[in-house]
Amino acid sequence: AQSVTQLGSHVSVSEGALVLLRCNYSSSVPPYLFWYVQYPNQGLQLLLKYTSAATLVKGINGFEAEFKKSETSFHLTKPSAHMSDAAGYFCAVSDAGNQFYFGTGTSLTVIP
Amino acid sequence: NAGVTQTPKFRVLKTGQSMTLLCAQDMNHEYMYWYRQDPGMGLRLIHYSVGEGTTAKGEVPDGYNVSRLKKQNFLLGLESAAPSQTSVYFCASRKDRVSLTDTQYFGPGTRLTVL
Repeated sequence: AQSVTQLGSHVSVSEGALVLLRCNYSSSVPPYLFWYVQYPNQGLQLLLKYTSAATLVKGINGFEAEFKKSETSFHLTKPSAHMSDAAGYFCAVSDAGNQFYFGTGTSLTVIP
Repeated sequence: NAGVTQTPKFRVLKTGQSMTLLCAQDMNHEYMYWYRQDPGMGLRLIHYSVGEGTTAKGEVPDGYNVSRLKKQNFLLGLESAAPSQTSVYFCASRKDRVSLTDTQYFGPGTRLTVL
């Protein structure tokens, strides 16, 4: 069975500071891993995706994530937070089966 | 190309009333999903479909029914609404399982309140 754990339901960072959002997964097979962003009153949008081509994945808006198999992690980072990054962030895993499995999400607040 | 659309955007129901949420996609995707999103619980899968005429239960199917009579549409029905079904409902579509660009595309959501 697949599952996703996101540590920290709320994260606050200062504008210009490093953003680090944590995601750990469990999967019985090599997974596909995703990060989605959700802006207020909108649906989820894909930020980036890991498909085994490279362990460091670059996404939109300056975000990137590194797949670490030994740690079963796929943490999301951005070197310098911008006010527009304030949103909900969801990690998800798929085993290329029919379903995606989502974490409970992390709400990011950016302090001016 | 509108992507994934959901109708309605907002709805208020009284306990015991019924309603249908419509999801439509114009990307010719095989897979479609219905999720509900509640505070602190992320997205939970209600039902999904792997193709026209097929449906399957997800994590929280009780109290909901679905139909996929046409490939582009996926309907979610509540036969007798309960306050516990107050939530934001998201529809998503996915091309298939084998594409390297595989991901889910989400609609804007339907905010449902059951009084």
